[in-house]
Amino acid sequence: GDSVTQMEGPVTLSEEAFLTINCTYTATGYPSLFWYVQYPGEGLQLLLKATKADDKGSNKGFEATYRKETTSFHLEKGSVQVSDSAVYFCALVWGFNKFYFGSGTKLNVKP
Amino acid sequence: EAGVVQSPRYKIIEKKQPVAFWCNPISGHNTLYWYLQNLGQGPELLIRYENEEAVDDSQLPKDRFSAERLKGVDSTLKIQPAELGDSAVYLCASSSAHEQFFGPGTRLTVL
Repeated sequence: GDSVTQMEGPVTLSEEAFLTINCTYTATGYPSLFWYVQYPGEGLQLLLKATKADDKGSNKGFEATYRKETTSFHLEKGSVQVSDSAVYFCALVWGFNKFYFGSGTKLNVKP
Repeated sequence: EAGVVQSPRYKIIEKKQPVAFWCNPISGHNTLYWYLQNLGQGPELLIRYENEEAVDDSQLPKDRFSAERLKGVDSTLKIQPAELGDSAVYLCASSSAHEQFFGPGTRLTVL
């Protein structure tokens, strides 16, 4: 069945370090892919998305490229800030509006 | 444009008591979701509506959980009776064109 696998956290980085959070997926069709971010006590917020192979989603310095050949959608940021500390979820959807979420990766950024 | 609205934000009840959560989706969004989120985990789908029809409720524990979306707009999720294991965050989301938006969630504590 369809599923999303994320790297386990927590990930702890110093401010201005490079971030990569790995995400791979399994899907029977051609899904759209998403990254969501969740800050403490809040709901999930859409961070970026990509709807077809080789698309690059980007927002607030974060980027992810839809790689069909490796079924991956890794999240990257060149220089993280303390304010990026949150939990990040990879997700996919295709077909009948059913979303599949990874288990989340907690990011801690230290000053 | 207003986002997804949920109430209450927090609820503390004793086990065996009933509880209800309310959600108002983004205007014009036909698809509405209720998710359960346990601490440190990703959202788990409870039920998905397309307009007023529940099209996916396979993960809803129907012995104690019920939901309704009578006019295809706002929705209510009920638990009766609540158990200790129901303590979690209940997230509502709505979507349009495969893009999903979340409310802030209701944090339920069952004592």
